Amino acid sequence: AQKITQTQPGMFVQEKEAVTLDCTYDTSDQSYGLFWYKQPSSGEMIFLIYQGSYDEQNATEGRYSLNFQKARKSANLVISASQLGDSAMYFCAMRPMFSGGYNKLIFGAGTRLAVHP
Amino acid sequence: ETGVTQSPTHLIKTRGQQVTLRCSSQSGHNTVSWYQQALGQGPQFIFQYYREEENGRGNFPPRFSGLQFPNYSSELNVNALELDDSALYLCASSFRGEGQHEQFFGPGTRLTVL
Repeated sequence: AQKITQTQPGMFVQEKEAVTLDCTYDTSDQSYGLFWYKQPSSGEMIFLIYQGSYDEQNATEGRYSLNFQKARKSANLVISASQLGDSAMYFCAMRPMFSGGYNKLIFGAGTRLAVHP
Repeated sequence: ETGVTQSPTHLIKTRGQQVTLRCSSQSGHNTVSWYQQALGQGPQFIFQYYREEENGRGNFPPRFSGLQFPNYSSELNVNALELDDSALYLCASSFRGEGQHEQFFGPGTRLTVL
């Protein structure tokens, strides 16, 4: 079964510090994509970062980096220099790569991050 | 470039009624996916449309149906509403092509079933 597990329901971090949000995944596919999305209280899902299963280097996008450990099936999100505006729900998601298939995302339950001044 | 838009923003229906939610995809995108997000949970994939045809479906009953139009906009229809259908419904658009990855989400429609 394909599944995303986020074991941290909530996390707190001090402003300007770094924080790591955990994500493990389960799939038997060799090819897949991993995503992180941010969801503020407004509800919109904001794309943060993508990692392909064959990418050898960890993805980075500004203050976001993805710590990809394929053998452990983990794809943790690292946010550096946290800002108050980073307070939101964060979702890890996986896209299986079916041949000729469709583009669905499988989401975890999410982690609520609170950044304190 | 116009992002993904959804209408209405909020909707209140009663059990047994039918509802139609609408989504306009981002310019240049040819694929639309719909997700249901119950309170406190991650989004669950409902189905996806590509070239006006359903291109994949999650574990949702047939009373959840959809359409995609030639301009790539889409509708989600839910018949015989149940209390458990209360959720945030998210539409995501993407371009189905080599090397394309991201799905861009709209702001969602919050449906309450009484």
